[in-house]
Amino acid sequence: KQEVTQIPAALSVPEGENLVLNCSFTDSAIYNLQWFRQDPGKGLTSLLLIQSSQREQTSGRLNASLDKSSGRSTLYIAASQPGDSATYLCAVTTGGANNLFFGTGTRLTVIP
Amino acid sequence: ETGVTQSPTHLIKTRGQQVTLRCSSQSGHNTVSWYQQALGQGPQFIFQYYREEENGRGNFPPRFSGLQFPNYSSELNVNALELDDSALYLCASSLESGLNTGELFFGEGSRLTVL
Repeated sequence: KQEVTQIPAALSVPEGENLVLNCSFTDSAIYNLQWFRQDPGKGLTSLLLIQSSQREQTSGRLNASLDKSSGRSTLYIAASQPGDSATYLCAVTTGGANNLFFGTGTRLTVIP
Repeated sequence: ETGVTQSPTHLIKTRGQQVTLRCSSQSGHNTVSWYQQALGQGPQFIFQYYREEENGRGNFPPRFSGLQFPNYSSELNVNALELDDSALYLCASSLESGLNTGELFFGEGSRLTVL
C-alpha cells in the first residue's frame, strides 16, 4: 500500500526566506504527484501537478521537483511571504488505482 | 469556469442519524471523488464516481454510499453516523480520459460534527 510522508510536520520561517518542503512515497509506480495548499478549515487548492515522466514544475515562486526512482518530491518556495502561511499537502496517484494518497502535511508559518 | 461547490458547509448530527452531502463538479469534469479528512490528518479516499458508476473505493464501510447524476454532480450518504465520522468531507472533480488520472480540483468541504 502506498504511504506518503511529509517532513517536517511544522515549519516557521521569517518573511523573505527561501524554504523547502519534503515529501516521500513508498511505491515509485506513480502516475503523478500533486502539491496542494490548505488554509485552516478550508478545502484544498492545487498548486502544482507533476506527471510521472516529468522532473519538475514551476509556478511563480513555487518549484516542485520529482525523483520517482527514489520516491521523493520537494516543494521549493522562494522569497516567502506571510500569505504563504498554510498547510501544504503532497499526494500521489499510484498505478492501478484512481485515487490520491496524501501525506499528513507540513504546516508553514511565515513570520512578518 | 465554475469551480467545485459543496453543500452544506457545516452541519451537526447525532450518533445514529443519516446525512447527505452534495457536490457540483467543475464545468467540463466527468469524475467526482470524495475524501474524508479528520482533524490534523491528510484526506483519505472514500470512493470515486465516473459516468454515474462507482469507479474505486477506499477502506470505508458500506454505510458510506454515493451517487453521481447525469450532470456529473454527486452525493455522499452516510448512514448510522458514529462519533468518528466527524470530519471535513471533501469533494474533488477531474476529467478522466481513461488513460491516466487527471488533476483533481477540490471544493471547500462540508464540516460534519457528530455528537
